[in-house]
Amino acid sequence: EPEVTQTPSHQVTQMGQEVILRCVPISNHLYFYWYRQILGQKVEFLVSFYNNEISEKSEIFDDQFSVERPDGSNFTLKIRSTKLEDSAMYFCASLSPTGILYSGANVLTFGAGSRLTVL
Amino acid sequence: LAKTTQPISMDSYEGQEVNITCSHNNIATNDYITWYQQFPSQGPRFIIQGYKTKVTNEVASLFIPADRKSSTLSLPRVSLSDTAVYYCLLASGGSYIPTFGRGTSLIVHP
Repeated sequence: EPEVTQTPSHQVTQMGQEVILRCVPISNHLYFYWYRQILGQKVEFLVSFYNNEISEKSEIFDDQFSVERPDGSNFTLKIRSTKLEDSAMYFCASLSPTGILYSGANVLTFGAGSRLTVL
Repeated sequence: LAKTTQPISMDSYEGQEVNITCSHNNIATNDYITWYQQFPSQGPRFIIQGYKTKVTNEVASLFIPADRKSSTLSLPRVSLSDTAVYYCLLASGGSYIPTFGRGTSLIVHP
């Protein structure tokens, strides 16, 4: 079964440092997402990405965050200057092209997540 | 945004059938009902999706009444490994941003 792959699985960083989280979506998927989950809380939407640009973003996704798809396969989330409250699990997800044309197939495939710990 | 409501937690025992009900009074005509499962420290995983009546797969069944204002996820003969958080979401075409609520934390006891 195709998978969404995320690296690193766990990253520890100092406050103020830049972090890049990487994702390899399923190869024929065209829609990409980042979510985060602070320990014990809900899975929260950060940003969606289609056709090499952001399609939607949440209030959480401020100027400290950026996403890009540098090489047609990887999909990255960058946090420029991490804060303590950025500590969370970050999940990448992708959606197949049929997911938009046929709403019954709108199923996201999530990666296993990257745990970010900011000290 | 359409909203779903489900119990915060449920307890069950191995071998029992578990039914988790989700309310979605404001469901739109083109919304599908989608359930995800999340184990600790893992990403959500799709379980089942339906529009009306009943859907069954190898993992679960989904029952949706005619008015579609609620749905029930049924897990037959649960095991300890079914301990997880279960999320009910509404999915529709177009701009699709799955929104997760608190979900239902299911604990299966020996």
